[in-house]
Amino acid sequence: TQLLEQSPQFLSIQEGENLTVYCNSSSVFSSLQWYRQEPGEGPVLLVTVVTGGEVKKLKRLTFQFGDARKDSSLHITAAQPGDTGLYLCAGAHGTGTASKLTFGTGTRLQVTL
Amino acid sequence: NAGVTQTPKFRVLKTGQSMTLLCAQDMNHEYMYWYRQDPGMGLRLIHYSVGEGTTAKGEVPDGYNVSRLKKQNFLLGLESAAPSQTSVYFCASSSRDLATYNSPLHFGNGTRLTVT
Repeated sequence: TQLLEQSPQFLSIQEGENLTVYCNSSSVFSSLQWYRQEPGEGPVLLVTVVTGGEVKKLKRLTFQFGDARKDSSLHITAAQPGDTGLYLCAGAHGTGTASKLTFGTGTRLQVTL
Repeated sequence: NAGVTQTPKFRVLKTGQSMTLLCAQDMNHEYMYWYRQDPGMGLRLIHYSVGEGTTAKGEVPDGYNVSRLKKQNFLLGLESAAPSQTSVYFCASSSRDLATYNSPLHFGNGTRLTVT
């Protein structure tokens, strides 16, 4: 069973601060996706990282996939209230029609003025 | 542009009652999934389908059944609801298999179910 642990579980920061969310596993994943979920809605994909060591940037968000494809991080620079939400990492594993996504435990971020 | 639509949005059941959650997608996606979301546990896969007429068990299938009679619809059934099934249920779809093509999941907005 693949497990993904995210840390921290909760994060409350002020606007303008920087933060990093970690997603760790002992399993290897073929790719890793990051989603953001807002209250009353389903998760929405932010990015997919595929290659070990890959770094992707989405405006103020920087995503990195670990060299061994077992872990990932999300760094937000100069957080804004609009960044508030639940951040979920999800690792893809298996092959063909048996492939699945295993989700992390989630990091709830609150950014205040 | 509806995407993935779940009905109902909220439901309260008494222990032992049954119900069906409906998921409909208009993106012609082959793959559909049912997840449950509980605090501190992320999203856990209940059942999934890789095409019309096919279903398979996920991580937490006990107490649930599913059917995929039409490509666009994926139904989740609870035959005899238990308080442990109190959760938020999400349906998702993808166009291709998740690992080979790094396909994203497209989620509905969830059904909040309370079993008393």
